[in-house]
Amino acid sequence: GDSVTQMEGPVTLSEEAFLTINCTYTATGYPSLFWYVQYPGEGLQLLLKATKADDKGSNKGFEATYRKETTSFHLEKGSVQVSDSAVYFCALSHSSASKIIFGSGTRLSIRP
Amino acid sequence: NAGVTQTPKFQVLKTGQSMTLQCAQDMNHEYMSWYRQDPGMGLRLIHYSVGAGITDQGEVPNGYNVSRSTTEDFPLRLLSAAPSQTSVYFCASSYSTGANVLTFGAGSRLTVL
Repeated sequence: GDSVTQMEGPVTLSEEAFLTINCTYTATGYPSLFWYVQYPGEGLQLLLKATKADDKGSNKGFEATYRKETTSFHLEKGSVQVSDSAVYFCALSHSSASKIIFGSGTRLSIRP
Repeated sequence: NAGVTQTPKFQVLKTGQSMTLQCAQDMNHEYMSWYRQDPGMGLRLIHYSVGAGITDQGEVPNGYNVSRSTTEDFPLRLLSAAPSQTSVYFCASSYSTGANVLTFGAGSRLTVL
């Protein structure tokens, strides 16, 4: 079945560092891919998405490119801030499906 | 404010007690779902609904019941709580099934003693 694998956390970086959180997936066909973010004490919210191969999703300085050849959707940000401290979830969904499959989440902590 | 509303935010139960977690959305979303979040396990789907009167099981449905009598409401019932059900529960909805963006509630933290 379909699955999503994320790099294990926690990830701790200094402010202004470059961020990469790896995400790979296993799926048939061409799913849509998502990154959700969960700030402390809150529910998840969509950060960005991509619906087809080579699409780049972007939001709040974060980017991720849908790579069909490597089945990956890595999250990147050029200069992180303390306010980016959160848990990040990679997810996939098919247009014909009634389920969204989430990775296990990666906790990110940014030091001032 | 439009969105997904969950109640209660916190609840402590004793083993064997029953309770209902409430979820309501005012966005006219057809699809609603319940997840549980446990450390190191990510989000696991408990039950979901693709419309009023239609429900189906997710990957961890045992010990939970749901119903969907209206488009707006999707309560999650624990009939006989167990310590293994200690978790944070999230309700989420979207316009339809498939590759649509989920809107999440703020979560309900349940502790079963």
